[in-house]
Amino acid sequence: QVTLRESGPALVKPTQTLTLTCTFSGFSLTTSGMSVNWIRQPPGKALEWLAFIDWDDDRYYSTSLKSRLTISKDTSKNQVVLTMTNMEPVDTATYYCARMRIVEAGPSHFDHWGQGTLVTVSS
Amino acid sequence: SYELTQPPSVSVSPGQTASITCSGDKLGDEYVCWYQQKPGQSPVLVIYLDNKRPSGIPERFSGSNSGNTATLTINETQALDEAEYYCQAWDSSTYVVFGGGTKLTVL
Repeated sequence: QVTLRESGPALVKPTQTLTLTCTFSGFSLTTSGMSVNWIRQPPGKALEWLAFIDWDDDRYYSTSLKSRLTISKDTSKNQVVLTMTNMEPVDTATYYCARMRIVEAGPSHFDHWGQGTLVTVSS
Repeated sequence: SYELTQPPSVSVSPGQTASITCSGDKLGDEYVCWYQQKPGQSPVLVIYLDNKRPSGIPERFSGSNSGNTATLTINETQALDEAEYYCQAWDSSTYVVFGGGTKLTVL
C-alpha cells in the first residue's frame, strides 16, 4: 500500500525559509520509474506544480519559482524534502507531495497523493 | 511556457454526459491525465495516458486526446461526480503543467 505524508510548520513568517518533509511508504525511490513531486494549492485556487525528484536523482523545478526551491531525497529514510526560501503571504497554500510514475514516454501521472499540509505565511 | 486551458465551469443534469476539455498547443503529442478533487480532499487520478482508468475508477469515466484538445467524458453523470477536475501533462521545457481546473456541477 502506497502512502505519502507531508510534515512541516503550519505557520511561517515572511522572509523565512520553509522546509517540508514528505515521508512515504509502499515504494522505493531507488526503483526505476519512480519520482516524488511537490505541488501546492492556494485556498480556492488551482494546483501548481513545484518540484520533481526521481529514482535517478533527476531534479526539475517550476520555472517561476526555481530560484527559491531545492528538492532532495534520503532514500534510507524514504523521505523527500522541499525547501522554499523567502516566503511571502502569497505562498500561503496547501502543500502536497505526490508520487509520479515515469513511463516509457517520460514522466506521466500522479497516482498517489499525500493528504496535504496547510502552510500560512503571516507575521 | 506551456499552458493548458480549461473552461472554469461545466454543468450537467444527472444521468447525462459531461465533457470537460483541456486545450494546449499540440497537446495531442503529449500524454494527458485527469484528476478529480472534492472540497477538502486531495486530488484523485481518474484518467492517465490519455484514456487509461486506474483501478477503482468507474467505467463511465473516459478520456481522449487529439490535436490541441484533450477531453474528459463522464457518462451517466451522478451527483457524487460533482467536483473540480484538473488536466495535467508533461512538457519538456515547463515540465509538469496543470490546467486551471473545471468545476463540474450536477444539477
